[in-house]
Amino acid sequence: GAVVSQHPSRVICKSGTSVKIECRSLDFQATTMFWYRQFPKQSLMLMATSNEGSKATYEQGVEKDKFLINHASLTLSTLTVTSAHPEDSSFYICSARVGHRIYEQYFGPGTRLTVT
Amino acid sequence: GESVGLHLPTLSVQEGDNSIINCAYSNSASDYFIWYKQESGKGPQFIIDIRSNMDKRQGQRVTVLLNKTVKHLSLQIAATQPGDSAVYFCAETSQDTGRRALTFGSGTRLQVQP
Repeated sequence: GAVVSQHPSRVICKSGTSVKIECRSLDFQATTMFWYRQFPKQSLMLMATSNEGSKATYEQGVEKDKFLINHASLTLSTLTVTSAHPEDSSFYICSARVGHRIYEQYFGPGTRLTVT
Repeated sequence: GESVGLHLPTLSVQEGDNSIINCAYSNSASDYFIWYKQESGKGPQFIIDIRSNMDKRQGQRVTVLLNKTVKHLSLQIAATQPGDSAVYFCAETSQDTGRRALTFGSGTRLQVQP
C-alpha cells in the first residue's frame, strides 16, 4: 500500500527557533498534500493544503508567515514552524493524495513538536 | 460553520462484544465519508469508507452505515478485540471547496476490556 513518512518523528526546540518537518510519499506521486495539527485529546484540524509547484492554501486562522509550506516535488512537502512558541507544541500530521484520485489519501505517522 | 461531531467521547466494551461508534455531520453537501483509527502517537489509519450514494458498506469485521436523512454515520466493529482499542474518527469531504480536504469529527475512544 501507499506509504507516507514524516521526519523527524519527535523534535524539541527552544522558543524563538524554527523547525522544519518533512512529509514524503514513498511509493507514489502526490500532487496534493495536507497538513494537520492535533492537540492532545483533540481531533485533527486542517492547517493547509499543499500543491506541488504552487502556493499552499491556508485555512482560516492559520498564519501563513508562521507556518511556511513548500511542496517542491511530487513526493515531498515541508512545513516550517518559524519563531516557535510553546503554544505551537502539538502533533503535526501530513497526508498525501494519490495523484488525482480524490478518494485515496494516506496519512503520515506524525511529528511531535515540543517547544520549550 | 460546518462540522462533524460525535455523540460519545468514550466507549468501553468487553472483548468479543460488538461496538458501535456514532458520528453526526452537518454539511449536507458531504458526499464521501471515512472512518479512521488512531493509536496513541501515530497517524490515522484508514478503516473503511462510504460514498453518499450508499447506505451500508461492509469490510472485515467492520460495517459503516450512512443515514443521509438525519446526517448520521456509524461504525460497527464485530467481535471487538483488545487490538481495536484506539481513538476512532469519522471524516467527511465534499466538493464545496474543490480541494477535497477532510473535515474530522471530535473522536471516540474505544476501550476494550479483556
